[in-house]
Order: sequence, then structure tokens, then C-alpha cells
Amino acid sequence: GAGVSQSPSNKVTEKGKDVELRCDPISGHTALYWYRQRLGQGLEFLIYFQGNSAPDKSGLPSDRFSAERTGESVSTLTIQRTQQEDSAVYLCASSARQGRETQYFGPGTRLLVL
Amino acid sequence: RKEVEQDPGPFNVPEGATVAFNCTYSNSASQSFFWYRQDCRKEPKLLMSVYSSGNEDGRFTAQLNRASQYISLLIRDSKLSDSATYLCVVYNFNKFYFGSGTKLNVKP
Repeated sequence: GAGVSQSPSNKVTEKGKDVELRCDPISGHTALYWYRQRLGQGLEFLIYFQGNSAPDKSGLPSDRFSAERTGESVSTLTIQRTQQEDSAVYLCASSARQGRETQYFGPGTRLLVL
Repeated sequence: RKEVEQDPGPFNVPEGATVAFNCTYSNSASQSFFWYRQDCRKEPKLLMSVYSSGNEDGRFTAQLNRASQYISLLIRDSKLSDSATYLCVVYNFNKFYFGSGTKLNVKP
């Protein structure tokens, strides 16, 4: 079956612009996670959804970052007024349910802020 | 202190060698443990879960030591295709914590 998909695969933007990143999880997966990975570094947890709700937003780096999920499927991560330090790969993962279940990752969106 | 710590490496080993990675975690209440593999410029993929009694999958063996709060991964008979970054992952309190990864280079 189809895996996790993300779009766009690459995004180049100018400092100060807003960007929207999209994640389509595996069908039927109720849990969805967003991570950020800077070049040569580990994964940094941003936010997770159980269904459409996000119980824990503590990983979001600043109030410029927001995420939503609708219909227990697609999620969007929005970064407002992008800064150069936002440049990274943004990875989305889904799992059958929130908890110890295996996460399946999408290919990521490579964001470059000039 | 980071939730999960790993030696970044790189570990450079010849084909056929046995190599072991360790990972330590800070929260003694952590519930689940995993090893993921990440190839260059690719997304992480689950290699194996780590069970309390230890578990083996082919050439890969994972161990958990709760008392010392570390997890290990042993790779026997290394293949060129094992070259990747190995991520230690710990689950607790509804979050997954990823280590920064240990890079393995298997040379011919």
C-alpha cells in the first residue's frame, strides 16, 4: 500500500515568507508526528496528533510554527515569517495508533530559507 | 542532558566485521526502545524494536539494560549495504526521542 507522502519535496523561500508543508499519512493511521532534522543532526520532535487533536505542542520552536490536521488524515505544518535557521528537512511520520507503535516516515520536505 | 545519547562515530569497519553500538537514555521510566536506520538524505526506517529479553533478527542483535539505561545493537558479518546512520529511539510519555545517530562505514 501507499506509504507516507510529503509535499513539496523541496522548497526554497525567502526570509520572511510563509511556507506550508503537507503530510499524507498511511491510510487508517491515527497518530501523526512532525520532526525537524537539521543538516548532520538528529531528529527534533515538533508535534504529534492523535486523530485531529494535538495534545502536546511543546516541541514547536516558536509561535511562528503551527500545525493542523483535518479528517484524521492530511496534516499541514505552517511556518510564518521564515528565518534562515528554519532551513532543515521536515519529516512526517505516522503510526497505527499513538504509543509504542512503529512509525513510518515520509521522504521529508527539504526547506531552504535564503 | 539529552534524553538519548549516542556516539556519533564514524565507525569504519571492513566487510565481515562485527560492530557494536551503544546508546544511553536519561529517563528510567522509558517504555519502549527501537533502532532505526537512516541512509544519507533519506528518511529513517525501523530496523528493529528492542525487547527486555534481547532480540535477534538475522545478523542484528539488540539488547536492553534497564538498570544501566542503555541499549545496544550488534551487527555481525557486516555488509557494504549496512553503511548508514543508526538511530537509537526511546519512547516515553507519548513522545519518541531520537538520538543523533551513529554513522557506520563498511569498507570492502
